[in-house]
Amino acid sequence: SQTIHQWPATLVQPVGSPLSLECTVEGTSNPNLYWYRQAAGRGLQLLFYSVGIGQISSEVPQNLSASRPQDRQFILSSKKLLLSDSGFYLCAWSPPRQLRFTDTQYFGPGTRLTVL
Amino acid sequence: KNEVEQSPQNLTAQEGEFITINCSYSVGISALHWLQQHPGGGIVSLFMLSSGKKKHGRLIATINIQEKHSSLHITASHPRDSAVYICAVNRAHYGGSQGNLIFGKGTKLSVKP
Repeated sequence: SQTIHQWPATLVQPVGSPLSLECTVEGTSNPNLYWYRQAAGRGLQLLFYSVGIGQISSEVPQNLSASRPQDRQFILSSKKLLLSDSGFYLCAWSPPRQLRFTDTQYFGPGTRLTVL
Repeated sequence: KNEVEQSPQNLTAQEGEFITINCSYSVGISALHWLQQHPGGGIVSLFMLSSGKKKHGRLIATINIQEKHSSLHITASHPRDSAVYICAVNRAHYGGSQGNLIFGKGTKLSVKP
């Protein structure tokens, strides 16, 4: 069966510091991968998605970036965190085929980021 | 106005009650999702719908494409059902510029014993 891992579970970082959040998926090959953010009191927002190694699509312009160095690894990064980057970050995967947003997406446990 | 609206925002129920959460959307969609977010934050996908009705245990999800409305029902509610329930829709014509999956803000459900 497929499982998805995220770490760390919680993170407190000062403004201006770098960020690296990692997501890995087990039990499937060539999954579609997604990064979402849920800011306090707001709905989930799609940040990035990837259909394969090195292929990243950005949905919202911001100071975040994503990379996919391996088939089942998705990394969310920032060079300098802002206060507005605080939130709950979720990684998700969907079945490995041509990108279809109608597929059910399976979410990881999330990372709660607080920027002070 | 948000493209996906959920109601109510908060809901408190007694154990055993029948619960309904509503979702309305204003864009053309190809599918609608119901998600459950537990207090710790993790999200579980409950249903994906493009028409009609789906049932899984005590959960029932319906969608009316013409009225652009979906409902999530919980029968014989239990305290372990306490969570945030999120509605999300896939745009029917994805242009890639705004993000295909649009989420509602969620409904916080508390079921009291």
